[in-house]
Amino acid sequence: DTEVTQTPKHLVMGMTNKKSLKCEQHMGHRAMYWYKQKAKKPPELMFVYSYEKLSINESVPSRFSPECPNSSLLNLHLHALQPEDSALYLCASSQEKTPGQIFSDSPLHFGNGTRLTVT
Amino acid sequence: QQQVKQSPQSLIVQKGGISIINCAYENTAFDYFPWYQQFPGKGPALLIAIRPDVSEKKEGRFTISFNKSAKQFSLHIMDSQPGDSATYFCAASSGSRLTFGEGTQLTVNP
Repeated sequence: DTEVTQTPKHLVMGMTNKKSLKCEQHMGHRAMYWYKQKAKKPPELMFVYSYEKLSINESVPSRFSPECPNSSLLNLHLHALQPEDSALYLCASSQEKTPGQIFSDSPLHFGNGTRLTVT
Repeated sequence: QQQVKQSPQSLIVQKGGISIINCAYENTAFDYFPWYQQFPGKGPALLIAIRPDVSEKKEGRFTISFNKSAKQFSLHIMDSQPGDSATYFCAASSGSRLTFGEGTQLTVNP
């Protein structure tokens, strides 16, 4: 099993709901990522936190709000989502020995994702 | 240019055969090339990776071949097994961004 734990595994929410996705890793990794994956498509980068600071926001709509309370935890707060936001949301982490770099000795480790359905 | 082109989209191989998936890139700033394997309902898992200063890397039945001048790299799965049936993504990174190919759905028939 993966060392990146995501909860919940499945989430169904209405367009007016507020919910949060959670991600936890205990590998001492200092970079954490949110990816979105639609069916039969590759993961798409949403956000990157490096040393607990938001370093990349890939122009994600504000209805997605990331939070990194500490180096082991990553949250994604969801509000007023649309049906087209239904997807698998993947969290990942990497050791990132050098901030801002993914090297071969610190690859991305993915969790198994949260399957989100927006009704 | 962040695109990574992957082919084929789907691949069917008999048990014991060789599976070959190819990827090509344009951005010469890419400095790390991993392959990920994803089973249904699971997150992608790192399979094998290579850096551009190496032309080939082998781990068990999995081999990456890398051609820097052609900006191409490929994954070879020797003695393919039904348990290898999954979606395979090549990827390339520059900095903190990992750009994925579109994926190849591999089916290994028994």
